[in-house]
Amino acid sequence: DQQVKQNSPSLSVQEGRISILNCDYTNSMFDYFLWYKKYPAEGPTFLISISSIKDKNEDGRFTVFLNKSAKHLSLHIVPSQPGDSAVYFCAAKTSGYSTLTFGKGTMLLVSP
Amino acid sequence: KAGVTQTPRYLIKTRGQQVTLSCSPISGHRSVSWYQQTPGQGLQFLFEYFSETQRNKGNFPGRFSGRQFSNSRSEMNVSTLELGDSALYLCASRRGTEETQYFGPGTRLLVL
Repeated sequence: DQQVKQNSPSLSVQEGRISILNCDYTNSMFDYFLWYKKYPAEGPTFLISISSIKDKNEDGRFTVFLNKSAKHLSLHIVPSQPGDSAVYFCAAKTSGYSTLTFGKGTMLLVSP
Repeated sequence: KAGVTQTPRYLIKTRGQQVTLSCSPISGHRSVSWYQQTPGQGLQFLFEYFSETQRNKGNFPGRFSGRQFSNSRSEMNVSTLELGDSALYLCASRRGTEETQYFGPGTRLLVL
């Protein structure tokens, strides 16, 4: 039973436009969410996170939105750049526990 | 500050053998977690160590074990290797009080 779902395996966007990556979760105990970016043969790189007490967090070109009632979060990248092309993983956890539960990832391709 | 390091980066073993992977966390980080990434199952939590004690364990057979040393370095051992153990093994570290985990580059294990 997948507790964190990224329903889009891939997304293609043109350079300069907005990329929106989505993530849904089912476990109500999750209260902290993270996005990681991963290139092939490398470990995931932390991008941005959000606690359940917030509904938005921004860091430069990256913004994460959390809709607790819908159990949905999204990552917005504006403007998208070719270097953003990678697999993006959504992860969730419960405070006090270290275990991260990951989605299957969305491959983002930003074309020039 | 140096990131999480993992050795070796690549490893080829045959069925029935055992393997030991090593992880050095970011300086000052006392928590080390291990994850397995496979194409079919995605990223799955193996276990977490904090101050030399295993705090959490994922749903993996007893062939998978680990330990942590007093300097926070961690090792993971897989005994009686099976073909299905071929995967990217990722180590992540965090400060004990923070939520965000930072990943190493991973060890790519191929079991023949």
